[in-house]
Amino acid sequence: DVKVTQSSRYLVKRTGEKVFLECVQDMDHENMFWYRQDPGLGLRLIYFSYDVKMKEKGDIPEGYSVSREKKERFSLILESASTNQTSMYLCASSLELVPDITYEQYFGPGTRLTVT
Amino acid sequence: AQSVSQHNHHVILSEAASLELGCNYSYGGTVNLFWYVQYPGQHLQLLLKYFSGDPLVKGIKGFEAEFIKSKFSFNLRKPSVQWSDTAEYFCAVIPPSDTDKLIFGTGTRLQVFP
Repeated sequence: DVKVTQSSRYLVKRTGEKVFLECVQDMDHENMFWYRQDPGLGLRLIYFSYDVKMKEKGDIPEGYSVSREKKERFSLILESASTNQTSMYLCASSLELVPDITYEQYFGPGTRLTVT
Repeated sequence: AQSVSQHNHHVILSEAASLELGCNYSYGGTVNLFWYVQYPGQHLQLLLKYFSGDPLVKGIKGFEAEFIKSKFSFNLRKPSVQWSDTAEYFCAVIPPSDTDKLIFGTGTRLQVFP
């Protein structure tokens, strides 16, 4: 079974704090993703990584950065947390997409971040 | 902008009722299509997926979806829902132009009452 774990289920931070969200997967997947999930907006991609030290911006990267120093670990960083970053953050991993071969993203349990 | 649309935001059904959740996408060319489900307090998990072949796809827990290319649709169906189907359902697409990403719809919250 693929397992994607996230360091915290719930987190409360103050405005201006630097916040680290950690994600670890145990299936040697190349790709890793960070999403935020907000009611009525679905899942929106923040950043993704297709290899160690590689990263690509998703649809809403502003205010976030990421780090992937090891294949199994993908960190999301909020340099200076703001109240509009209060959200549920989901990490996912997948194998590389190969045409005509099945593909699935596996998700972690999520971190509910509240910024006060 | 190209997108994935789920027009039903909140659906309320009684047990044994039939379910159909709409999903439309606006990408041309070959797409890969998914339905994910998130039960209360649980991980997002894959319900079913379509890559090629038979456009009627069967997934877990009695769900199925039909890919209709001419309508750009991938609607999710279940003939008889149960209370345990209460969850949020997300349609997602891998667009042909950007195969690194899954593009999600806004989700449909399903509540099933006994």
